Amino acid sequence: EAQVTQNPRYLITVTGKKLTVTCSQNMNHEYMSWYRQDPGLGLRQIYYSMNVEVTDKGDVPEGYKVSRKEKRNFPLILESPSPNQTSLYFCASSFRVRGRNAYEQYFGPGTRLTVT
Amino acid sequence: SQQGEEDPQALSIQEGENATMNCSYKTSINNLQWYRQNSGRGLVHLILIRSNEREKHSGRLRVTLDTSKKSSSLLITASRAADTASYFCASYNAGKSTFGDGTTLTVKP
Repeated sequence: EAQVTQNPRYLITVTGKKLTVTCSQNMNHEYMSWYRQDPGLGLRQIYYSMNVEVTDKGDVPEGYKVSRKEKRNFPLILESPSPNQTSLYFCASSFRVRGRNAYEQYFGPGTRLTVT
Repeated sequence: SQQGEEDPQALSIQEGENATMNCSYKTSINNLQWYRQNSGRGLVHLILIRSNEREKHSGRLRVTLDTSKKSSSLLITASRAADTASYFCASYNAGKSTFGDGTTLTVKP
């Protein structure tokens, strides 16, 4: 089954304790992204990757790191989490629709992170 | 504010009625996408309209795009209780993506 998986789905942690949220897709998509979703603010892109070893900042990259060593995986790393990073996080992958400049994103189920 | 602002923020209708949601954006786009999100879950892609298209249909969904006004609308016809969800528009180009704040639709049975 084609899907994007994220782990863990729920995480409660304390300020300053490094954590990694994993993301994996089995669709051989080139593009992957991380978003955070907060009430009243919609989805905001944190980082994205256009291919292996190619990453770029989205709108809210501060406090986050990513890596893309393999095509299928795109982990999100919080080196020193803070309470303002409490949020719902989504990973997504995408492909170009019919060879044109149009992309359809597939989203993972989300990771609810609480930093105390 | 973000590119991609949906209007209204919340919409409540009776089953069988049509629901219209609007989205405005600020910068040039190659395409505009609409997504649906059930409470707390991942987003699901509904429909994509390219910048050279004016209207697109998919089942009970109809999307229009007016690039001169930088706006798009999503129409859901003959709504069902199962259509209750949040709906987002988004621009996307080679990885960079911007989502609107969403419209929360409630369809009462």
